[in-house]
Amino acid sequence: DVKVTQSSRYLVKRTGEKVFLECVQDMDHENMFWYRQDPGLGLRLIYFSYDVKMKEKGDIPEGYSVSREKKERFSLILESASTNQTSMYLCASSPRGSRRVYEQYFGPGTRLTVT
Amino acid sequence: AQTVTQSQPEMSVQEAETVTLSCTYDTSENNYYLFWYKQPPSRQMILVIRQEAYKQQNATENRFSVNFQKAAKSFSLKISDSQLGDTAMYFCAFGTSYDKVIFGPGTSLSVIP
Repeated sequence: DVKVTQSSRYLVKRTGEKVFLECVQDMDHENMFWYRQDPGLGLRLIYFSYDVKMKEKGDIPEGYSVSREKKERFSLILESASTNQTSMYLCASSPRGSRRVYEQYFGPGTRLTVT
Repeated sequence: AQTVTQSQPEMSVQEAETVTLSCTYDTSENNYYLFWYKQPPSRQMILVIRQEAYKQQNATENRFSVNFQKAAKSFSLKISDSQLGDTAMYFCAFGTSYDKVIFGPGTSLSVIP
């Protein structure tokens, strides 16, 4: 079974802190994604990566950065946390499809609260 | 812009009954993929069912089936013989050949004993 793990289930940080969210997958997937989930808005893509050291902005990249130094690990960084970044953060991975879109496998999520 | 709409924020169904969750999408693409994902309370999101746009036959997975109407850009999910474990948020999602997937806002389904 594919396993996607995230470093924390719950996290509380103060405004202005630098926050690291880590995601690891064990199925050798090329693609990895970071989403934030807010009620009534569904999942919104922050960043995704289709290979090591490669990244592309999603729909809401402002205030976030990412790092992918190894294929299995994709990190989301909040350079200076703000209260409007309080949310559920979901990591996902998938195989890379040249002519099809594969399903995504999700981690359990990190509920981040910024006070 | 490609969008996914789920017009029912919340739904409920009696155990053993059938329920249909609605989803519409907007795209100019001809080849794409549609998904329904399930997120149980405090548990990980998992895939329920998928449909390739080029296939006319509606996908089925056990008690879950879809009604795919390509011309109408509609992709509804039918759950038969609802069970308590079906209580979850359900997200409709749309993907093209570039691996990115767009998710709808979700429908919260409660199965009532």
